[in-house]
Amino acid sequence: AQTVTQSQPEMSVQEAETVTLSCTYDTSESNYYLFWYKQPPSRQMILVIRQEAYKQQNATENRFSVNFQKAAKSFSLKISDSQLGDTAMYFCAFMKHGGGATNKLIFGTGTLLAVQP
Amino acid sequence: NAGVTQTPKFQVLKTGQSMTLQCAQDMNHEYMSWYRQDPGMGLRLIHYSVGAGITDQGEVPNGYNVSRSTTEDFPLRLLSAAPSQTSVYFCASSSLTVNTGELFFGEGSRLTVL
Repeated sequence: AQTVTQSQPEMSVQEAETVTLSCTYDTSESNYYLFWYKQPPSRQMILVIRQEAYKQQNATENRFSVNFQKAAKSFSLKISDSQLGDTAMYFCAFMKHGGGATNKLIFGTGTLLAVQP
Repeated sequence: NAGVTQTPKFQVLKTGQSMTLQCAQDMNHEYMSWYRQDPGMGLRLIHYSVGAGITDQGEVPNGYNVSRSTTEDFPLRLLSAAPSQTSVYFCASSSLTVNTGELFFGEGSRLTVL
C-alpha cells in the first residue's frame, strides 16, 4: 500500500520570502503522479502542481516548484516570493497511474502554512 | 461551467438519522469519488466509481453507501448517522479518457452529527 507523509504540521514564512514544504512517500509502483493541493480558508481544494514520475525534470508553475527525488521518494514544494494569499493548508498526494489503475488519490496529513505580513 | 456541485454545504443531524449528500458534475467525467477530511488526518477515500453502475470501496467505507445510476451523479448516503461521521465531505471527479490525474473537487459539505 502507498503512504504519503508530511512531517511539518505547521509552518510560517514572512511575506516575499521562500519556504519549502516537505513530503515523502512510499510505493512499489513505477508509474505514478504526485501532486500538491492547496486548501485556503474557503475550503476549496486547488491543484497547485503535478509531477509525473517518469519525468526527471522538476515541475514548475509560476512561483511554485517542486524538488522530485524519485530514488529517495521525496517530493518537496518550494514557494518563492510568498504572498498573503498563499496562506492555506497544503496537501501532498499520490496517484498510481496506468495498468488499470483508477484515479484514487492518497493524501498526506497536510501542512498549514501561514504567511506573515 | 459549474464543475462539481455538492449539496448541502452544511448539515446538522442527530445520531441515527439518515441523509444523502448530493454530488453532480457536468464535465462528463467517468471517475467520481467521495473523501472525508478530518483534522490531522488529511483526506481519506470513502467510495469511488469508474462509471455508471460501477462502485467500489475506498479506505473508510463503513457507514456509507453509494450508487452511480448516471454519469453525472454520485450521491453518498448515511443510513444511520453516528458522531464519528462528523466531518467535511468532498466529492471529486476526473476524466479517465483524457487522464491527467487531476481531480476536480466540489466545495465540500460540513456535516455535524450530534
